[in-house]
Amino acid sequence: DSGVTQTPKHLITATGQRVTLRCSPRSGDLSVYWYQQSLDQGLQFLIQYYNGEERAKGNILERFSAQQFPDLHSELNLSSLELGDSALYFCASSPYGTGDEQYFGPGTRLTVT
Amino acid sequence: GQQLNQSPQSMFIQEGEDVSMNCTSSSIFNTWLWYKQDPGEGPVLLIALYKAGELTSNGRLTAQFGITRKDSFLNISASIPSDVGIYFCAGVAPGAGSYQLTFGKGTKLSVIP
Repeated sequence: DSGVTQTPKHLITATGQRVTLRCSPRSGDLSVYWYQQSLDQGLQFLIQYYNGEERAKGNILERFSAQQFPDLHSELNLSSLELGDSALYFCASSPYGTGDEQYFGPGTRLTVT
Repeated sequence: GQQLNQSPQSMFIQEGEDVSMNCTSSSIFNTWLWYKQDPGEGPVLLIALYKAGELTSNGRLTAQFGITRKDSFLNISASIPSDVGIYFCAGVAPGAGSYQLTFGKGTKLSVIP
C-alpha cells in the first residue's frame, strides 16, 4: 500500500458525459501528479500540482482539468468524454515535487461507452 | 520531448535465473526510477537513483544510474514466481519547473516455475 488513495476504482459512463476522479496523496506529500495509461500510449503525464498550485502540464486535453485543494487532495475532471478517453488514470504523490520519488495510487479505470 | 527506450520488451525465464533489463535515452535525466506494475494495479516503486554512477540494491534487485546520465539498468537475481509483472523505467529530465516522469514502454517478465 503506497498510501495514495484514489476513488472510484472503476467508472463506466457514456460519451459526452463528465466525470470527476479523486486522489488523496500520502500524508505529508505536497505534490500530486496525474497520469493516463492506455494500451497504445503507455503511461503519460497529464498535470502536476504542488501545494495547491499548478506546476507543470503534460499531454492534457483541454476537455480535462484538475485542481488541488487546501487539504492537498486533488480532483481530475474529464468532460465531453469520448471513447478514446477510456484508460487507467493514476494519481501519484511526492514530498516536494522536485524530481523526488513518486508513489502511485491504485488507479481509476474509466470506461466510456 | 524525451523518450525512453526500454528493452527487452518481454522475457521468459526459468525460476532461479537472473534477469537484466535496461533503459536508454538520447537525452540526460536527473533521476531514474524503476517501478513494477501488476495487471490493473498502480506502479509500485522499486528503486530510485539520483546520482550518475549510483548503484542501489533493494533485496534481490539492483539498479544503476548510468555514468552518462542517459541510461539505467535493473537486475533481478534468483527470480521467483512473484517477480512476474511489467517493469517500467522512468526518468525525470532537467528543466525548470517540470518534474514529471517520462516512462519507458515496459518489460513484461514471465517466470517459468
